[in-house]
Amino acid sequence: EVQLVESGGGLVQPGGSLRLSCAASGFTFSNYAMSWVRQAPGKGLEWVSTISGSGGSTYYVDAVKGRFTISRDNSKNTVYVQMNSLRAEDTAIYYCAKENNWSPMVRGSYVDFWGQGTLVTVSS
Amino acid sequence: DIQMTQSPSSLSASVGDRVTITCRASQSISNYLNWYQQKPGKAPKFLISAASNLQSGVPSRFSGSGSGTDFALTISSLQPEDFATYYCQQSYSSPWTFGQGTKVEIK
Repeated sequence: EVQLVESGGGLVQPGGSLRLSCAASGFTFSNYAMSWVRQAPGKGLEWVSTISGSGGSTYYVDAVKGRFTISRDNSKNTVYVQMNSLRAEDTAIYYCAKENNWSPMVRGSYVDFWGQGTLVTVSS
Repeated sequence: DIQMTQSPSSLSASVGDRVTITCRASQSISNYLNWYQQKPGKAPKFLISAASNLQSGVPSRFSGSGSGTDFALTISSLQPEDFATYYCQQSYSSPWTFGQGTKVEIK
């Protein structure tokens, strides 16, 4: 059974930093790209970032480029996102998501499994 | 970026009703369109890929159609467990983008 368990969320002041983690199990982790998708309170879904199975390729939405860094440790079956220079508009539930491909951003990709999410609140 | 627009934003329907949600892309995305279901307080669940390919385990009352810019998700006979918010998402070009969601409520 695929399981994705996020951790690391919490309250942080504007300009602060936070690192989210997602521990994966139930599949061969290194064979799949992994993503982070967020959802602001009461709003829709927004793709944030994706990393390839090897970790060699990464992609970001413009809103977080230069501030967020996605990474993975295939020996620990864990994907991370380091979030710096946080803003109020980054407040959201952050979902860890397993892609159906090894390569990121391939046409026809989809998220076949989602974690339960971790809440990040950016406020003074 | 490709904009995805769903309609309606919300609808009220009764158990047993046939329900159709539409999703329009701001440019042609061939059939690179996915659908997800999200219940309150829960993570999204993957339903359909490539506009019409039903994920294993998803009830056959769900179906998807369309290509190019216009797509639809149809629930042939609405069941109590189908009351949720539905999102379309394009995977034609980066960044992946989602529709704003369609909330299906009980009438």
